[in-house]
Amino acid sequence: ETGVTQTPRHLVMGMTNKKSLKCEQHLGHNAMYWYKQSAKKPLELMFVYSLEERVENNSVPSRFSPECPNSSHLFLHLHTLQPEDSALYLCASSHIGTGALHFGDGTRLSIL
Amino acid sequence: QQQVKQSPQSLIVQKGGIPIINCAYENTAFDYFPWYQQFPGKGPALLIAIRPDVSEKKEGRFTISFNKSAKQFSLHIMDSQPGDSATYFCAASIKTGGSYIPTFGRGTSLIVHP
Repeated sequence: ETGVTQTPRHLVMGMTNKKSLKCEQHLGHNAMYWYKQSAKKPLELMFVYSLEERVENNSVPSRFSPECPNSSHLFLHLHTLQPEDSALYLCASSHIGTGALHFGDGTRLSIL
Repeated sequence: QQQVKQSPQSLIVQKGGIPIINCAYENTAFDYFPWYQQFPGKGPALLIAIRPDVSEKKEGRFTISFNKSAKQFSLHIMDSQPGDSATYFCAASIKTGGSYIPTFGRGTSLIVHP
């Protein structure tokens, strides 16, 4: 596989469920990002990991919990989400020191 | 809060036309300005990017024009094709903790009619 792969592509969950989104990059990058994309809004940065350390946490509610076990994998753990959290969640990676982000195709999340 | 203002929100052109998308930023610390293209069901893909020491950059049919004093930059698509129909996002990036963090515009939905 090449590029940035996100699983699952679609996820429907109730507000009391716990689930995780997974991202894997095969590009040899050392920085990874989570973005939220909602209709009619700019892409919203959620978290950034550089060399597996979190360098940005953009005032994201604690019901979203990121994990970066190594430079190739990134997770977003979800619990007790709200309906307004329904959106497309995008993962991206890059080389530290370059500005070119490579995005996955996202996970479409729907909260019932 | 850092912002990037993008216009227009939507754009319709005929095949062969030259759509132009404009972006403006406020923070002079931004030092990398990429454009991304997104097709339905796909993630954004880097199209072209420019640094503020250059006023213009061309890659194929895509050109970025950059005006540092006005804090504005724009994307021109020459000889547009129906396959260029997509949503385009501009971004302005700043280096934080060793990584570039882009701030995105709201996006422009482009339709190119055959």
